Amino acid sequence: AQKVTQAQTEISVVEKEDVTLDCVYETRDTTYYLFWYKQPPSGELVFLIRRNSFDEQNEISGRYSWNFQKSTSSFNFTITASQVVDSAVYFCALTPSGYSTLTFGKGTMLLVSP
Amino acid sequence: GAVVSQHPSRVICKSGTSVKIECRSLDFQATTMFWYRQFPKQSLMLMATSNEGSKATYEQGVEKDKFLINHASLTLSTLTVTSAHPEDSSFYICSASPGLAGGSSYEQYFGPGTRLTVT
Repeated sequence: AQKVTQAQTEISVVEKEDVTLDCVYETRDTTYYLFWYKQPPSGELVFLIRRNSFDEQNEISGRYSWNFQKSTSSFNFTITASQVVDSAVYFCALTPSGYSTLTFGKGTMLLVSP
Repeated sequence: GAVVSQHPSRVICKSGTSVKIECRSLDFQATTMFWYRQFPKQSLMLMATSNEGSKATYEQGVEKDKFLINHASLTLSTLTVTSAHPEDSSFYICSASPGLAGGSSYEQYFGPGTRLTVT
């Protein structure tokens, strides 16, 4: 069984602050994929990143960065210099290799105030 | 590429009526489509998985007679909420996967969602 835990229900920051969203997962599969999605108030899910379990390299994309640590089963997401437009609910998700069924975490609502 | 559309984006219906939601993959063939339900301030809950030409596989607790899913073609899946009641009001999101034919079985592309309100 797969499980994704996002312990932070809601985070509030002021613009330009850095913020890290935590994601801890459980799986018995040796090969799997991890995802982050953003869901703005409009409701549409926006794909942010996919990470293969064999690739533990951290990734940076603009103000976004992801830290994948297999040893702690975590896949944390950091936004540097947050902006108001970053306000959204962020979901971490997991799927075992060879399947498409996604297991989502409960999401973290990020509120960035000016 | 990999665009998925949903129609309608919003629908209000009266209790007891049925409503159909369409999910289309616009620029790829989707061997598998998924239907999720999301209550306010909650996560996405998978309702069912459908493969083109096959009966949908429903998650535990989801009434298959109430939520009819049809995946008649590689680009279209429909979810029909039959005899809708106010408790069926929710945000319904579909996703589509090209499957192995598309190069990777794990990619899911999400539609923009349909907000259903049953009065």
